[in-house]
Amino acid sequence: ETGVTQTPRHLVMGMTNKKSLKCEQHLGHNAMYWYKQSAKKPLELMFVYSLEERVENNSVPSRFSPECPNSSHLFLHLHTLQPEDSALYLCASSQLGPATDTQYFGPGTRLTVL
Amino acid sequence: QKEVEQNSGPLSVPEGAIASLNCTYSDRGSQSFFWYRQYSGKSPELIMSIYSNGDKEDGRFTAQLNKASQYVSLLIRDSQPSDSATYLCAVNMGGGSYIPTFGRGTSLIVHP
Repeated sequence: ETGVTQTPRHLVMGMTNKKSLKCEQHLGHNAMYWYKQSAKKPLELMFVYSLEERVENNSVPSRFSPECPNSSHLFLHLHTLQPEDSALYLCASSQLGPATDTQYFGPGTRLTVL
Repeated sequence: QKEVEQNSGPLSVPEGAIASLNCTYSDRGSQSFFWYRQYSGKSPELIMSIYSNGDKEDGRFTAQLNKASQYVSLLIRDSQPSDSATYLCAVNMGGGSYIPTFGRGTSLIVHP
């Protein structure tokens, strides 16, 4: 158990739906991340929050909207997605700083967009 | 552009052999290095982190870091079929950033 939980674990949605992914970390970390991993592709960093402020946004389409209400919770709000957005969405957390910056991943949400 | 390179494989080794996985990185200022294991359909699981030149051992796993040559490797001794997975190398490029860059991963197959 890594201390990072994600819900739901599986999600099927239509292109007109609105849904949210939730991530919670129980490790006392001060940074949280969203990654996308498509089949046979490397991890793609989407968003980074440090101390609840967004510090990284890697040209992600606006149909993905992150929210970090506190240091333990991270959401990814989804709306009007495309089939190519089907992927494994991973949340991670870390404690920023030298020699403490290991990322711990949640189990992921397998998203299918019909 | 800061890059982390891994051979995609697959690397196939017999059970009981030593598997050697390699990773090179482009930024000389890199400070933190990580190896993750990822089974198909699952999330990455940390195997080891290494921050100083030399070897670091944990059970059957040994990470080796050579900053002068800009490579980090992972050795798996007495490989087991359960070690079959994709191994991701991640490097923190430093410079005040603690956001690691991940390689594409090396697929390892351990056959009985």
